[in-house]
Amino acid sequence: AQKITQTQPGMFVQEKEAVTLDCTYDTSDPSYGLFWYKQPSSGEMIFLIYQGSYDQQNATEGRYSLNFQKARKSANLVISASQLGDSAMYFCAMGPPNFGNEKLTFGTGTRLTIIP
Amino acid sequence: EPEVTQTPSHQVTQMGQEVILRCVPISNHLYFYWYRQILGQKVEFLVSFYNNEISEKSEIFDDQFSVERPDGSNFTLKIRSTKLEDSAMYFCASIRAGGSYEQYFGPGTRLTVT
Repeated sequence: AQKITQTQPGMFVQEKEAVTLDCTYDTSDPSYGLFWYKQPSSGEMIFLIYQGSYDQQNATEGRYSLNFQKARKSANLVISASQLGDSAMYFCAMGPPNFGNEKLTFGTGTRLTIIP
Repeated sequence: EPEVTQTPSHQVTQMGQEVILRCVPISNHLYFYWYRQILGQKVEFLVSFYNNEISEKSEIFDDQFSVERPDGSNFTLKIRSTKLEDSAMYFCASIRAGGSYEQYFGPGTRLTVT
């Protein structure tokens, strides 16, 4: 079974600072994917970034990067130069690697609040 | 950009009533999912659907739940006799076959059972 742990229920960060949201995972699958989704107060789930377990480099998407440490089973999300619009719930999830169609297993989320 | 749509955005129903939540996945997607999120909690997988049959279902997806793809575009979740604890946000998601990992989520339907 797959398990995602997010230990930070809430974080407050000053605007323009970088922020790291923690995520650890557990799985017996040899290959897997790690995902981050953003959920603003309006409720929709917005895909941010993906990391495959066999990817050699950490994933980056604009201001988002994923600090993937396979030996530690961690997949932290780093947001550089935070903006007020980054205030939201952030969910880490585990799912299939590329070409897979299995379900996503989500963590409990971190509520990020950006302070002006 | 194509998107997953869901209707209604909010549904209020009385306990014991049947509800049908509707989703229109992205047109070239082949795998479909329902997730739910009880207020303030994490998103939980309910069921996945491929080739007109259920691929996987969670322990939450009991006999009160069913899914259907009645035509080439709609994907529905039916709850036969709603309970108070079914109150949640229900998300539909879809993914295209091969070469993609991103599940595209719809905006959700907030179900309130009174």
